Amino acid sequence: AQSVAQPEDQVNVAEGNPLTVKCTYSVSGNPYLFWYVQYPNRGLQFLLKYITGDNLVKGSYGFEAEFNKSQTSFHLKKPSALVSDSALYFCAVRVGNYGQNFVFGPGTRLSVLP
Amino acid sequence: GAGVSQSPSNKVTEKGKDVELRCDPISGHTALYWYRQRLGQGLEFLIYFQGNSAPDKSGLPSDRFSAERTGESVSTLTIQRTQQEDSAVYLCASSQTPGGRTSAIHNEQFFGPGTRLTVL
Repeated sequence: AQSVAQPEDQVNVAEGNPLTVKCTYSVSGNPYLFWYVQYPNRGLQFLLKYITGDNLVKGSYGFEAEFNKSQTSFHLKKPSALVSDSALYFCAVRVGNYGQNFVFGPGTRLSVLP
Repeated sequence: GAGVSQSPSNKVTEKGKDVELRCDPISGHTALYWYRQRLGQGLEFLIYFQGNSAPDKSGLPSDRFSAERTGESVSTLTIQRTQQEDSAVYLCASSQTPGGRTSAIHNEQFFGPGTRLTVL
């Protein structure tokens, strides 16, 4: 069965520093990988996705993620963190063409300190 | 265009009462999902609808939970005889299925704002 792990419950980073939020996955077949962000008191918003092609995917708000097949990882990155990036981040994986195989990770809370 | 909408935004109920939560997906989205998010936790899959196919109910936690969807439009999640542990935010999402014309949004889910359910 497919699964998604986000090994860090909490990530703290100083404003202006680079940030990384980790995600690893376990699937059979080709994965479709996603990152979503949940700001306080707001719904989940799509950030970026990897379907096929370039391993480095660029998304909203300056975020990017790198798909690494050998390490089964899809870490979210941003070169320079903003305080406004503080939120809950979810990695998700979808396998094949059937929606019921959409699995979310447990989430990582990012705090960017001024 | 309009996004996914959910109603009510907040619902406070007494233990043992039934509640009904509504989701209006984005027009044209054939796939619809319900998730539960307990405070400080991740998303828990509940149920999935795809067009006119039989729904995937594998995530429903008990027989007190049920959901319906009329065609490819509105969905209703019903919780009977609510318990305090049902307190959570219930999220609905919709997506265009593979093969849809809008390939630019292939596979991604669009989430509603959620319904915060509090069972006293």
